[in-house]
Amino acid sequence: QKEVEQNSGPLSVPEGAIASLNCTYSDRVSQSFFWYRQYSGKSPELIMSIYSNGDKEDGRFTAQLNKASQYVSLLIRDSQPSDSATYLCAVKPPGGGNKLTFGTGTQLKVEL
Amino acid sequence: DVKVTQSSRYLVKRTGEKVFLECVQDMDHENMFWYRQDPGLGLRLIYFSYDVKMKEKGDIPEGYSVSREKKERFSLILESASTNQTSMYLCASAGGYGYTFGSGTRLTVV
Repeated sequence: QKEVEQNSGPLSVPEGAIASLNCTYSDRVSQSFFWYRQYSGKSPELIMSIYSNGDKEDGRFTAQLNKASQYVSLLIRDSQPSDSATYLCAVKPPGGGNKLTFGTGTQLKVEL
Repeated sequence: DVKVTQSSRYLVKRTGEKVFLECVQDMDHENMFWYRQDPGLGLRLIYFSYDVKMKEKGDIPEGYSVSREKKERFSLILESASTNQTSMYLCASAGGYGYTFGSGTRLTVV
């Protein structure tokens, strides 16, 4: 089992819809979770972090964490064509300083 | 904002060459990382460093070494480049809330 799993997609949503991106992780005691956005040919950029169970909202983005189910998700409301990118889920395992383990990413396509 | 600068955006090297990839961050972060990114395999950790002169192997260190002589600079060295090291190389710096990545170096070994 991979440590961090994401559906590779592509996930296609119409403009204005809600995009839901999902991620599961294997290490039950992981404490910190991150979502990165990566445009084609560019490096990843941090868009959300979440540390506690529940929802965390930042503009059109909402991160959701369920530690009991080892599941973290990212919702993008009012999706725009500019949201088309690959979204990487990253998990900080216990110990190990700031080392992150990344999923392989989900490609999101927002269609006009 | 933290700035992480990678010295080259594109590199083409020959098999057997020694290759140096440089990364500099400007926020006095202790933690720095080198990843490579390949289609379908995602980001894989090569080496990381918690402080000057300290280094630890990541998941795929074979064929690579690193150097951290100054806090702001973390160098990745390909001792003898091979075609299977053709990849996108990403440097990252971490100050406690996720990483900031450099713009990446796309290395092609021919």
